Amino acid sequence: EAAVTQSPRSKVAVSGGKVTLSCHQTNNHDYMYWYRQDTGHGLRLIHYSYVADSTEKGDIPDGYKASRPSQENFSLILELASLSQTAVYFCASRGPSYEQYFGPGTRLTVL
Amino acid sequence: GQQVQQSPASLVLQEGENAELQCNFSTSLNSMQWFYQRPGGSLVSLFYNPSGTKQSGRLTSTTVIKERRSSLHISSSQTTDSGTYLCASRNMGYKLTFGTGTSLLVDP
Repeated sequence: EAAVTQSPRSKVAVSGGKVTLSCHQTNNHDYMYWYRQDTGHGLRLIHYSYVADSTEKGDIPDGYKASRPSQENFSLILELASLSQTAVYFCASRGPSYEQYFGPGTRLTVL
Repeated sequence: GQQVQQSPASLVLQEGENAELQCNFSTSLNSMQWFYQRPGGSLVSLFYNPSGTKQSGRLTSTTVIKERRSSLHISSSQTTDSGTYLCASRNMGYKLTFGTGTSLLVDP
């Protein structure tokens, strides 16, 4: 079965600080995604990648950067964390069948 | 724009009752994936259903592409079915667009 892991599982960050969220998949999938989930907004796509060393903007990329150093790893970087970035972040991977598999999520609180 | 509308927003059932959850999606989207999410938990894929009917245990998903709708039927609900059900529709390429979810509570 598909396996997507995320670290850390929860994090408290200071406003203005740098935050890095990591995602690792063992599925050999090409596509990887970062979403954020907020109450009342469902899940929204931040960044995605379809190949190592390349990332693409999703629907809400402002304030976020992404990095895909290898097929297995995909990071989300908040260079200057803000209060509005408090949310739950999910990573997902997708294989050739178009079905997406999600990690357990990271709960980020920015104070 | 690309939209997915999910209904109802919330639902309360007595254990043993059936439930029907609906998703409607805009013309630029196709196929449907249904997810289950426990409170504070991750998303578990229930069905990837581009068209037709799929069944898994007490769950049945039906997608009618030409009518831009998909449904999830839960039969003989159990308290462990409580949680949030999300649908997401795919465009021609890479992206899923999510609905805002149906919060289901099954009382014993």
